[in-house]
Amino acid sequence: EVQLLDSGGGLVQPGGSLRLSCAASGFIFSNYAMSWVRQAPDMGLQYISDISGNGGKTYYADSVKGRFTISRDNSKNTLYLQMSSLRADDTAVYYCAKTRAAGGVDYWGQGTLVTVSS
Amino acid sequence: DIQMTQSPSSLSASVGDRVTITCRASQGISNFLTWFRLKPGKPPKTLIYATSTLQPGAPSHFSGSVSGTDFTLTINSLQPDDSATYYCQQYKSYPYTFGQGTKLEIK
Repeated sequence: EVQLLDSGGGLVQPGGSLRLSCAASGFIFSNYAMSWVRQAPDMGLQYISDISGNGGKTYYADSVKGRFTISRDNSKNTLYLQMSSLRADDTAVYYCAKTRAAGGVDYWGQGTLVTVSS
Repeated sequence: DIQMTQSPSSLSASVGDRVTITCRASQGISNFLTWFRLKPGKPPKTLIYATSTLQPGAPSHFSGSVSGTDFTLTINSLQPDDSATYYCQQYKSYPYTFGQGTKLEIK
């Protein structure tokens, strides 16, 4: 059974940093691209970043480019999102997600809440 | 960017009803569309991928179809557990974009 366990969210001040983690199990982690999607309070969903199975290729939405870094440790079956220079509009629930081989998300983590506030 | 216009934004229906939710893509996306649902306090659940393929483990009363750039999620024989917010997402080209969501209430 595929399981994705998001963690690392919390309250952080504007300008601060936070690292999210996503522990994966139930599939061969290194074979699949992974992504991060967020949902701000009372807002829609935003696809913010993804990374290929071997970590060699990444994508960032314009809103996080230069501030967020996606990475993975295939030896630990873990996905990361390092977030820096956080702003109030980064406040959201962050979901990690597994991508199907042919594209599109098939499994989701339960989400972790990031609140950026002074 | 590809815009996904989803409708309706909300609807109310009764157990046993058939409901449809539509997403219109601003340009061609082939079949690169996923439907999923969100329930408060639960992880999102993918229902349909590649426009019309039922995700393993998704309830069988969900189906997807397309006509041109209009994508439809059909929920047959509505169940009480179907109360949720439903979203489409295109993954044809970056940035992968979502519809605005449809909040489904069971009467």
